[in-house]
Amino acid sequence: GAVVSQHPSWVICKSGTSVKIECRSLDFQATTMFWYRQFPKQSLMLMATSNEGSKATYEQGVEKDKFLINHASLTLSTLTVTSAHPEDSSFYICSAEFSGGSYEQYFGPGTRLTVT
Amino acid sequence: DAKTTQPNSMESNEEEPVHLPCNHSTISGTDYIHWYRQLPSQGPEYVIHGLTSNVNNRMASLAIAEDRKSSTLILHRATLRDAAVYYCILRDPLDGNKLVFGAGTILRVKS
Repeated sequence: GAVVSQHPSWVICKSGTSVKIECRSLDFQATTMFWYRQFPKQSLMLMATSNEGSKATYEQGVEKDKFLINHASLTLSTLTVTSAHPEDSSFYICSAEFSGGSYEQYFGPGTRLTVT
Repeated sequence: DAKTTQPNSMESNEEEPVHLPCNHSTISGTDYIHWYRQLPSQGPEYVIHGLTSNVNNRMASLAIAEDRKSSTLILHRATLRDAAVYYCILRDPLDGNKLVFGAGTILRVKS
């Protein structure tokens, strides 16, 4: 149980285009999901907290107009990187918080974004 | 955010126990101590968590100091598959349950 999926697992896009990444909790409901990015040989950096039915809360320094987050249901959150540039190339990881009371977070396998 | 301090790297022999330390001297009364691990090019995997008492599960044991200013993750018999980056993280339910990752400890397991 407690499986989180991400789609796509990797994507290559051209500079200036937008890319959408999906995060799904497959066997549990998640009121809250989190989005992270990770550069090579670095730790995960929390980007934003996504709450079902409300606006996301962004960490300091993260551009909300560039990284659009939508949490339309209890099992799906999406991250859209708008007007992507090469410096946005990174490993994007989501996590879903179990809403059943334990508040454990389960992580997706990550999405490798490369912007050319 | 409460911070944790971990050694940059540790090495272990296969089939031997591993003790991964973590210092969190500024821990608050509501902080839970969480451990996650991450293999290359994968998302983090939950290992164990605790509040005050020592905890055991099928993956590991967590020993928490009486003053809660430090903790130790114990892998009872390290295998090659345990080679990963281990993160010790404080989670505060009063701060949105956010997990703020530090640098972690790179665990190398020798056969």
